[in-house]
Amino acid sequence: AQSVTQLGSHVSVSEGALVLLRCNYSSSVPPYLFWYVQYPNQGLQLLLKYTTGATLVKGINGFEAEFKKSETSFHLTKPSAHMSDAAEYFCAVRGRANDYKLSFGAGTTVTVRA
Amino acid sequence: DTGVSQDPRHKITKRGQNVTFRCDPISEHNRLYWYRQTLGQGPEFLTYFQNEAQLEKSRLLSDRFSAERPKGSFSTLEIQRTEQGDSAMYLCASSKPGGSSYNEQFFGPGTRLTVL
Repeated sequence: AQSVTQLGSHVSVSEGALVLLRCNYSSSVPPYLFWYVQYPNQGLQLLLKYTTGATLVKGINGFEAEFKKSETSFHLTKPSAHMSDAAEYFCAVRGRANDYKLSFGAGTTVTVRA
Repeated sequence: DTGVSQDPRHKITKRGQNVTFRCDPISEHNRLYWYRQTLGQGPEFLTYFQNEAQLEKSRLLSDRFSAERPKGSFSTLEIQRTEQGDSAMYLCASSKPGGSSYNEQFFGPGTRLTVL
């Protein structure tokens, strides 16, 4: 079984500051890991994913995340926050092989201060 | 628009009524998923289909819930005898098998259900 813990339900950053969202996972098999973003009244949009290979993955809108197996973490970062980054962010894990369902964390709401 | 679509976007109903939601996946996607998202929580898996076959159901899917995908295209999710605890956003996602996409799931905008 897979599960995800997102540390911090709310994060507030100044425009231009570093954005850091924390995600730790639990998985009985090597996982696939994802970060999704959700804007108000919209569905989820994939930011980036880790499947195999390079542990530092880059996504859309300047976000990146690093898979650290030893720490069971997949933290999301962006060097410089923009006002448009204000949204809710979800970390998700999926088992490999025939386990297709995603298990999501509770989400982190990001607000960006001008 | 070639994304996942859901209808209706909002539904208000009275406790005890039945409701049905529809999801139209991206046309070449053979897998379709339903999730439920309550306020302040991440989405929770309900069920998924591969073509018309329902391959997995969560324990969250009580006997009041039923999902179908009769021709392997659109899907419906029906809730019978709704309860206030059913109030949530119901999300649909679809994916295509294998390849470099690693089963990336594309989400629709959701149907927000309010049970009074």
